[in-house]
Amino acid sequence: QQQVKQSPQSLIVQKGGISIINCAYENTAFDYFPWYQQFPGKGPALLIAIRPDVSEKKEGRFTISFNKSAKQFSLHIMDSQPGDSATYFCAAIRTGNQFYFGTGTSLTVIP
Amino acid sequence: DSGVTQTPKHLITATGQRVTLRCSPRSGDLSVYWYQQSLDQGLQFLIQYYNGEERAKGNILERFSAQQFPDLHSELNLSSLELGDSALYFCASSTGQGHNEQYFGPGTRLTVT
Repeated sequence: QQQVKQSPQSLIVQKGGISIINCAYENTAFDYFPWYQQFPGKGPALLIAIRPDVSEKKEGRFTISFNKSAKQFSLHIMDSQPGDSATYFCAAIRTGNQFYFGTGTSLTVIP
Repeated sequence: DSGVTQTPKHLITATGQRVTLRCSPRSGDLSVYWYQQSLDQGLQFLIQYYNGEERAKGNILERFSAQQFPDLHSELNLSSLELGDSALYFCASSTGQGHNEQYFGPGTRLTVT
């Protein structure tokens, strides 16, 4: 059973537009929700993360919105740039226990 | 560059064989995590070690084993290899044993023929 469901599988956005990637989880015991960015041939790199006691976290052009009651969280990339073209993974973590990743979203930003 | 190193970068081997993947964490990091990334399964957590001891276990097959040595480097051993084991294997490290920020290495691409 997929612990973290991520959508869409792929996304094409115009330069300057907003990219939105969504994730949903089942286990309410998860207590840390990071987003990772992965470029081809590289390992994932932490982009931004949130804990369930916060509804929104913003770092530069990247924002996580968290809805605890709906068990959903999303990544918003404002003013998307061609350099943002990468695969994005959400994850849900239960401290010291399990680490679950979404299936990834391939983002392409068209100039 | 994350500071995490993995060797080898590529590995091609035959079914039934055994291989060892090596990971050196960032300086000062005590936790090491192993992940498998394949096209159909995505990124799967395998196992975590903290300061030499196993801390968390994910979807790691019985044919796979890992250990963390006193110098904190880690090895992932894969035995009785099957075609389906072909994947990218990532190592990540973090300072503590909780869900601190994990820094991923460049990965080892394993191809089983």
